[in-house]
Amino acid sequence: EIVLTQSPGTLSLSPGERATLSCRASQNIDSDYLNWYQQKPGQAPRLLIYGASSRATGIPDRFSGSGSGTDFTLTISRLEPEDFAVYYCQQYDDSLTWTFGQGTKVEIK
Amino acid sequence: QVQLVESGGGVVQPGRSLRLSCAASGFTFNAYGMHWVRQAPGKGLEWVAVIWFDGSDKYYVDSVKGRFTISRDNSKKTLYLQMNSLRVEDTAVYYCARESLKGAKDFDYWGRGALVTVSS
Repeated sequence: EIVLTQSPGTLSLSPGERATLSCRASQNIDSDYLNWYQQKPGQAPRLLIYGASSRATGIPDRFSGSGSGTDFTLTISRLEPEDFAVYYCQQYDDSLTWTFGQGTKVEIK
Repeated sequence: QVQLVESGGGVVQPGRSLRLSCAASGFTFNAYGMHWVRQAPGKGLEWVAVIWFDGSDKYYVDSVKGRFTISRDNSKKTLYLQMNSLRVEDTAVYYCARESLKGAKDFDYWGRGALVTVSS
């Protein structure tokens, strides 16, 4: 079973700052199957990045994804007030299971 | 526009059963794999189950195998989750989610969720 570990657990930043979120897999994964979501309180998750680096429809270009193998990163270049939320990475593997990381909360400093 | 609307949540005693439904609209339902994802109160996301676009294959997270059954009725554009032998630890918001056709095994649309509370 592949485990995704996200760090840090909480990121305290100010609007306008850069956010760097990490997602580390317990073994190599196919980057085509590494995705990122944003979730705000009381709302369903929203797809941000698919295939490690492709932005989903309507996602601003301040969001970017990168990485391969076991290490993946979600970067928010300049935080807007609406970006303060919880972010999850998610992967799929050949055992026909989907798994999520435990999440990183980006909070206002 | 794509819409997924869950229903059927509620409070149930441990050991009892509940069936969730997810009504889909705004897209060709029978072309997409569909999933259930849950979120316990204050916790992260956990994938629960998937069903292929035509219902031919189904897979589950280990913790629900043998207790939960995912199914679909493409004529009604509806996804189901039959939950038997419910446990306190099954308490969560249950989301239905559409698997995109981009090949990334991602979830591009989500419903708003249905709360299931298992408590005596």
